[in-house]
Amino acid sequence: DSGVTQTPKHLITATGQRVTLRCSPRSGDLSVYWYQQSLDQGLQFLIQYYNGEERAKGNILERFSAQQFPDLHSELNLSSLELGDSALYFCASSVVGGSGEQFFGPGTRLTVL
Amino acid sequence: QQQVKQSPQSLIVQKGGISIINCAYENTAFDYFPWYQQFPGKGPALLIAIRPDVSEKKEGRFTISFNKSAKQFSLHIMDSQPGDSATYFCAATPGAAGNKLTFGGGTRVLVKP
Repeated sequence: DSGVTQTPKHLITATGQRVTLRCSPRSGDLSVYWYQQSLDQGLQFLIQYYNGEERAKGNILERFSAQQFPDLHSELNLSSLELGDSALYFCASSVVGGSGEQFFGPGTRLTVL
Repeated sequence: QQQVKQSPQSLIVQKGGISIINCAYENTAFDYFPWYQQFPGKGPALLIAIRPDVSEKKEGRFTISFNKSAKQFSLHIMDSQPGDSATYFCAATPGAAGNKLTFGGGTRVLVKP
């Protein structure tokens, strides 16, 4: 158990819908990262937040957005969903300024029908 | 552009054998190279990591070899066990701690009893 929690574990929805994925980082970790894992694209970095502020952006679609709240939990919002958005979404957390280790949550499996 | 190339995509090894996975990177700014192990339905778990100032790091049956001039690094799993059957990802990140991970494409390892 990495100490990173994600909810829900599974999400099934229809095209065009909007969903929210939630992540709670390890206690004491200020930085949260979101990654997408799909069969054709592998593990891809989406976005990073540090202590409530956006710190880095990767290959994140404009239909996707995220935020980190004062209690450090983070939410990833996916809207206007398409079939190709079906994937595993992982959250990771780390102590910025530490060794660089990132600890991953169990993921949310999103299925868009 | 894939910045971390991983090979092979899959490998089968007999119990007690050695599994070797190779990765090559392009970005010379990378200076932290972790390996993650992922079981089906689970999030990636940090296995072992190395920085470029050392050429080898060993933790139990897992060893990372690092060749800075060739921009290559590899994971060796000694005395492979059926419980090691999983997908392994190499990754790299630049600069100070707290940066995004760039992952290789993954290697599915099957250890036959």
